[in-house]
Amino acid sequence: AQSVTQPDIHITVSEGASLELRCNYSYGATPYLFWYVQSPGQGLQLLLKYFSGDTLVQGIKGFEAEFKRSQSSFNLRKPSVHWSDAAEYFCAVGVRNTDKLIFGTGTRLQVFP
Amino acid sequence: DTAVSQTPKYLVTQMGNDKSIKCEQNLGHDTMYWYKQDSKKFLKIMFSYNNKELIINETVPNRFSPKSPDKAHLNLHINSLELGDSAVYFCASSPQGLDNQPQHFGDGTRLSIL
Repeated sequence: AQSVTQPDIHITVSEGASLELRCNYSYGATPYLFWYVQSPGQGLQLLLKYFSGDTLVQGIKGFEAEFKRSQSSFNLRKPSVHWSDAAEYFCAVGVRNTDKLIFGTGTRLQVFP
Repeated sequence: DTAVSQTPKYLVTQMGNDKSIKCEQNLGHDTMYWYKQDSKKFLKIMFSYNNKELIINETVPNRFSPKSPDKAHLNLHINSLELGDSAVYFCASSPQGLDNQPQHFGDGTRLSIL
């Protein structure tokens, strides 16, 4: 069965520090992969997606993610975190030929000045 | 110019009542969805509609009934509300669901059952 694991429930970083949020997936074929961000009281906003091709994908707000098939991972990175990046981050896998998105349990990011 | 809008934003009601949440998208998308986010922030799909036709129904109790009067609207009606229905409900839409296009989410409706 398809699943997404985000091992880190809560991460705290200092403003200006680099960030990596982990995401591992279980899927029988090449997956569609997404990262979404949820600010408090808001809906989910798409940061970036991977469908095929270049395994390093660039997103909005300076985020990038790398698809590593051998590790079944799609980790999200940002070289320098801003206080406004504090939010909940969700990794998701899209099941091909369906409408379904399967979400991980999220990672809450706190940023200290 | 909100893309996916849900009303109401907050809904507080008593057990046993019937309530509806409305969703509208102005993106011209063909597919709309309802998700439930529980108190631990876990997001799970409930339903999807493509051009007013039900595509996904994820073992949701039949107290939940989605209705799509046209492809820009997907409303969620809940009968006989239970304590476990307390959650944030998100509506979303995408251009062509079967191609796994990115989904655009509304801001959510926080439902609290007393």
